[in-house]
Amino acid sequence: AQSVSQHNHHVILSEAASLELGCNYSYGGTVNLFWYVQYPGQHLQLLLKYFSGDPLVKGIKGFEAEFIKSKFSFNLRKPSVQWSDTAEYFCAVNPPLGGNNRLAFGKGNQVVVIP
Amino acid sequence: DTEVTQTPKHLVMGMTNKKSLKCEQHMGHRAMYWYKQKAKKPPELMFVYSYEKLSINESVPSRFSPECPNSSLLNLHLHALQPEDSALYLCASSQDGFGQRYNEQFFGPGTRLTVL
Repeated sequence: AQSVSQHNHHVILSEAASLELGCNYSYGGTVNLFWYVQYPGQHLQLLLKYFSGDPLVKGIKGFEAEFIKSKFSFNLRKPSVQWSDTAEYFCAVNPPLGGNNRLAFGKGNQVVVIP
Repeated sequence: DTEVTQTPKHLVMGMTNKKSLKCEQHMGHRAMYWYKQKAKKPPELMFVYSYEKLSINESVPSRFSPECPNSSLLNLHLHALQPEDSALYLCASSQDGFGQRYNEQFFGPGTRLTVL
């Protein structure tokens, strides 16, 4: 079945450590790719998105993601995390034409940053 | 205006109550969505309206009844809910639709619903 996979559901790291969250999808064809963040008790916020062009995408709060088409991946990175980055992170994919109204989410990564 | 607003922010209701959730956007978007989100889980799609017509119903129980009075408004009517329906209900909107690549969904802050 077509899907979005996020591994390592629970991630615990110390402040100033680097963070990388993996996202793999199984859809063929052109897709739109998103990373959302949800801070404790808050709503979904868009971190960054990829539609086309430069596969290295810069987002808010120092996050970036790299689209690697051959690997069907869109991994999220931050070189140095802060305590305030503690949150749930969701990767999402718009499937190709014909399903544009659907946004497929991965199961999320719960990230805890220890001060 | 790039906001999706939702009211109320919090709602507590009994299993016999009837209540409604409201969602509004003024971005000229023609697709609107309802999602249900449980704690630490991804949002689950419930309904999609496209040009004010219901285009997707993800086999949602009939105790949830969506309504799209116009292109800016989306309601979710609730009746005879169960405690397991307690969740964060998110509304989203996007430019429609079929054939367009740039279907970024803009999410509202959600309504946190508790069913007693």
